[in-house]
Amino acid sequence: DTQMTQSPSSLSASVGDRVTITCRASQGISNYLAWYQQKPGKVPKLLIYAASTLQSGVPSRFSGSGSGTDFTLTISSLQPEDVATYYCQKYNSAPQTFGQGTKVDIK
Amino acid sequence: QVQMVQSGPELKTPGASVKVSCKASGYTFNTYGISWVRQAPGQGLEWMGWISAYNDKTNYAQNIQGRVTMTTDTSTSTAYMELRSLTSDDTAVYYCARVAYGGDSAADYWGQGTQVTVSS
Repeated sequence: DTQMTQSPSSLSASVGDRVTITCRASQGISNYLAWYQQKPGKVPKLLIYAASTLQSGVPSRFSGSGSGTDFTLTISSLQPEDVATYYCQKYNSAPQTFGQGTKVDIK
Repeated sequence: QVQMVQSGPELKTPGASVKVSCKASGYTFNTYGISWVRQAPGQGLEWMGWISAYNDKTNYAQNIQGRVTMTTDTSTSTAYMELRSLTSDDTAVYYCARVAYGGDSAADYWGQGTQVTVSS
């Protein structure tokens, strides 16, 4: 099975900072990658699909890139409401594994 | 608007079974699939499997294969996930989410989650 590894596991940044989270697949998955945001006690929310396509209604400060095995989620200017755990997920084939998550908070 | 409404919390004893429902509205149910995802306390998201509401094709995670059955009722636009032989490791919040009917898409709409607690 393809493993999904996120880094870092957690990060602390200041409001306005540029934040980058990486997700690495152990085998190539083309662009079959999604990013989700889960705020504490809330339901996961789809941010990006097909590695770089922004879901409708998601702020443009979020962006995704990558293909094959290496992917990146970028928040261009961190806002207080972005405090959450972020997960990547592969969906090219089963099992549709999630990364272990990256917890983002404000410094 | 698309909505996925799940059944209420469940308390089960070890060895029992649980059946969680997920009622969809706001879209044509049998043109999509439903994925099930769970989250144990303080842990990450775990993909459990997927069912197509188009042709009832399923795909289950290896670690629960044999204990899980996912079904749909197109007459009520409802998906079900039954998990048997429960242990304390199955204590989690269980989510349903809409995906493409072939399963190969991100999950765009999620249910509110159903807390399942397994305890003697």
